[in-house]
Amino acid sequence: AQSVTQLDSQVPVFEEAPVELRCNYSSSVSVYLFWYVQYPNQGLQLLLKYLSGSTLVESINGFEAEFNKSQTSFHLRKPSVHISDTAEYFCAVTDPSYGGSQGNLIFGKGTKLSVKP
Amino acid sequence: DVKVTQSSRYLVKRTGEKVFLECVQDMDHENMFWYRQDPGLGLRLIYFSYDVKMKEKGDIPEGYSVSREKKERFSLILESASTNQTSMYLCASSGYRGTDTQYFGPGTRLTVL
Repeated sequence: AQSVTQLDSQVPVFEEAPVELRCNYSSSVSVYLFWYVQYPNQGLQLLLKYLSGSTLVESINGFEAEFNKSQTSFHLRKPSVHISDTAEYFCAVTDPSYGGSQGNLIFGKGTKLSVKP
Repeated sequence: DVKVTQSSRYLVKRTGEKVFLECVQDMDHENMFWYRQDPGLGLRLIYFSYDVKMKEKGDIPEGYSVSREKKERFSLILESASTNQTSMYLCASSGYRGTDTQYFGPGTRLTVL
């Protein structure tokens, strides 16, 4: 079965420092990959997704993620973080094992990014 | 903008009570999902539905049931609430394709005493 591993449960960084949040998935079949963000006391919202084409995808607020098929990874990066980036970040992958729908996702356990002044 | 609403942000119930959590989406999405979110465990899928009156079990369906009588509404039911069901419950909806984004509601924090 498909699984998603987020290697760090918590990542503390100082403001304006670079950050990388790591994500690895298990399946070698074709998958779609997503990063979601959850700000305090809110639901999740999509940050970016990889469907096909260029392996580097970007979000509107400066995050980017690179799909690496050989390493089955989809790490999230930002060159300079802000206090407002403090949130929990979830990596997710489509699960082809459910027969009834193609919309199911398998989520990692999340990484809490804490940006300090 | 896609909107997914959940009936309550906070809910306190007693052990043994029947609990209903309601979720409504306004984008005519085929798929709807109920997740449970616990610290250190991420999101775990309870049930999902890909059409009216259709439902499938997720990873942790025990102690829960669901109802989807209308396309826009997906209800999660705790038949007899227990303290180990204290958690954050998140509803989501999406189109039917694997490329479609899931849109989440704000969550319901349920406490069972």
